[in-house]
Amino acid sequence: QQQVKQSPQSLIVQKGGISIINCAYENTAFDYFPWYQQFPGKGPALLIAIRPDVSEKKEGRFTISFNKSAKQFSLHIMDSQPGDSATYFCAAGYSTLTFGKGTMLLVSP
Amino acid sequence: DAGVIQSPRHEVTEMGQEVTLRCKPISGHNSLFWYRQTMMRGLELLIYFNNNVPIDDSGMPEDRFSAKMPNASFSTLKIQPSEPRDSAVYFCASRSGTGVSPLHFGNGTRLTVT
Repeated sequence: QQQVKQSPQSLIVQKGGISIINCAYENTAFDYFPWYQQFPGKGPALLIAIRPDVSEKKEGRFTISFNKSAKQFSLHIMDSQPGDSATYFCAAGYSTLTFGKGTMLLVSP
Repeated sequence: DAGVIQSPRHEVTEMGQEVTLRCKPISGHNSLFWYRQTMMRGLELLIYFNNNVPIDDSGMPEDRFSAKMPNASFSTLKIQPSEPRDSAVYFCASRSGTGVSPLHFGNGTRLTVT
């Protein structure tokens, strides 16, 4: 499987701060880049996704920034809240998805 | 709207025993995926089916692993014989449509092989 590299492994952010998670991919054929959110004991759930024809997508407090030439994309969580504390996975692919290894986010009150 | 249903939620077994994990995808979804999650390797795709037909099983680690999808509403992942290194959380996910459609995950089966 083609690699998707995600960083950081873990992140602590104060309530109200901005959380930023980065991913890089290798395969230029990938055309779908979603982010998934996972709470303990649950399966991952789609948070937000982007296609390579746009450079940014915003949904509420969550924004994906996409740099096609650098083969990188990132998730920004504005005004981070304790309820955002979870593990976040980036993914990339076309017919199937390859996932990054995840980032454990802790938002301190 | 029932989501993807996996059973059992937890499975503890001894090395050498056969393990069967079960999955019921969301009704109407035409693709089904089995993933394995570990701290070391993250989420790994094991196999995926489209319209009940296995399309890509390149992620299945060994011949000890097998998966079937006898109909659109049921799939199994079998490990025989199980080994301690198979201990992980196994997720089933389903999808409607193409690769750009969202994957819907079940809550997983936590397998412990002693």
